Amino acid sequence: DAKTTQPPSMDCAEGRAANLPCNHSTISGNEYVYWYRQIHSQGPQYIIHGLKNNETNEMASLIITEDRKSSTLILPHATLRDTAVYYCIVRVTTSGTYKYIFGTGTRLKVLA
Amino acid sequence: EAGVTQFPSHSVIEKGQTVTLRCDPISGHDNLYWYRRVMGKEIKFLLHFVKESKQDESGMPNNRFLAERTGGTYSTLKVQPAELEDSGVYFCASSHGQGVREGQNTQYFGPGTRLTVL
Repeated sequence: DAKTTQPPSMDCAEGRAANLPCNHSTISGNEYVYWYRQIHSQGPQYIIHGLKNNETNEMASLIITEDRKSSTLILPHATLRDTAVYYCIVRVTTSGTYKYIFGTGTRLKVLA
Repeated sequence: EAGVTQFPSHSVIEKGQTVTLRCDPISGHDNLYWYRRVMGKEIKFLLHFVKESKQDESGMPNNRFLAERTGGTYSTLKVQPAELEDSGVYFCASSHGQGVREGQNTQYFGPGTRLTVL
């Protein structure tokens, strides 16, 4: 049922940009893309979301392709504290409910 | 502002026993969701409350699972009787609303309850 595909793991040097890709080729027109991360034993933490346009906040940038079939989460200056599992999520609407469809996530390791 | 809290953080029970998990959403959030991740699988939706009403419980695995949200504040998820395959991490999330104002739709997750059924 997963609507997203992510690489299982990535490494990034501290201070460099981390670019995490996600494929969501079956996404529908009104379904949003969300990114969360999970650090160790905490719950998923919201990062950013978008529908069509690129988005930026204090944590990250989200680049969505024009056909909406893929996106990239960018952490501009990765730190050791950004080491986590990053989930690309499609939010679907059924029965009046906004459900998150999680993928398997990318384990990002930021290296000193 | 306090985040979503869940209790207990860990629970270890024997097969056949009953366990009740509790979730306290962010104050003022009408929408409450339960998700779970079982071993080796993705995090999956279980159900959604709007205030005290169940809006969607399509993800509940079977009738051994019962969720309640009396009074529209905290929620409980009871598993009775527990089976081995129920082991996993149960997450609760809450959001302010579901609607036109996108800023209100983001779901904020609690730390989860790790359930181990022996």
